Amino acid sequence: DAKTTQPNSMESNEEEPVHLPCNHSTISGTDYIHWYRQLPSQGPEYVIHGLTSNVNNRMASLAIAEDRKSSTLILHRATLRDAAVYYCILRGFSGGSNYKLTFGKGTLLTVNP
Amino acid sequence: EAEVAQSPRYKITEKSQAVAFWCDPISGHATLYWYRQILGQGPELLVQFQDESVVDDSQLPKDRFSAERLKGVDSTLKIQPAELGDSAMYLCASSLGAGGGTEAFFGQGTRLTVV
Repeated sequence: DAKTTQPNSMESNEEEPVHLPCNHSTISGTDYIHWYRQLPSQGPEYVIHGLTSNVNNRMASLAIAEDRKSSTLILHRATLRDAAVYYCILRGFSGGSNYKLTFGKGTLLTVNP
Repeated sequence: EAEVAQSPRYKITEKSQAVAFWCDPISGHATLYWYRQILGQGPELLVQFQDESVVDDSQLPKDRFSAERLKGVDSTLKIQPAELGDSAMYLCASSLGAGGGTEAFFGQGTRLTVV
């Protein structure tokens, strides 16, 4: 499985933008970049995903480098409810029609009021 | 909004006893996943089903863990016998398929404590 590297922790202030980085230098052409987040005592929650182009949805934006070896999750205005562990995942082809969803350690985001 | 249902939410069991967890995925979701999450770590995939078939169980400790999804709908994960190191959160997830661009939906999990 291709690996991702994220900072262990980051801090932000409420109502400010947050940029969460992820390095994935061994990404293959068929790997999708997914972001999930996990609030305390809850299961992970899907945030966003992309393949080559930048993506926007109601929760966040995903900026993907041109060489796809890194990506950044952007929360446009952080709220206290965004405090969570954020996982950057490469969903890679593992045979048949299956793409494996393998979690790493993630980045613990703290949002200060 | 449709959710992945898991039960029980919490389970305390003694070492060497059997324990089982149940998962009801979102209706229509063909792919079902069981993950184990040890405190402070990311979830680890134990087993993945496509309908009733196992497509990946490479990380499932098969000497003590078993999983089934008999009719391709709900699923049960069993541990027998439980060991102290099995204390963790067990998460179930489901998705429409297993393609690269598919979103997975997770349940609230079952917190297992083995004493």
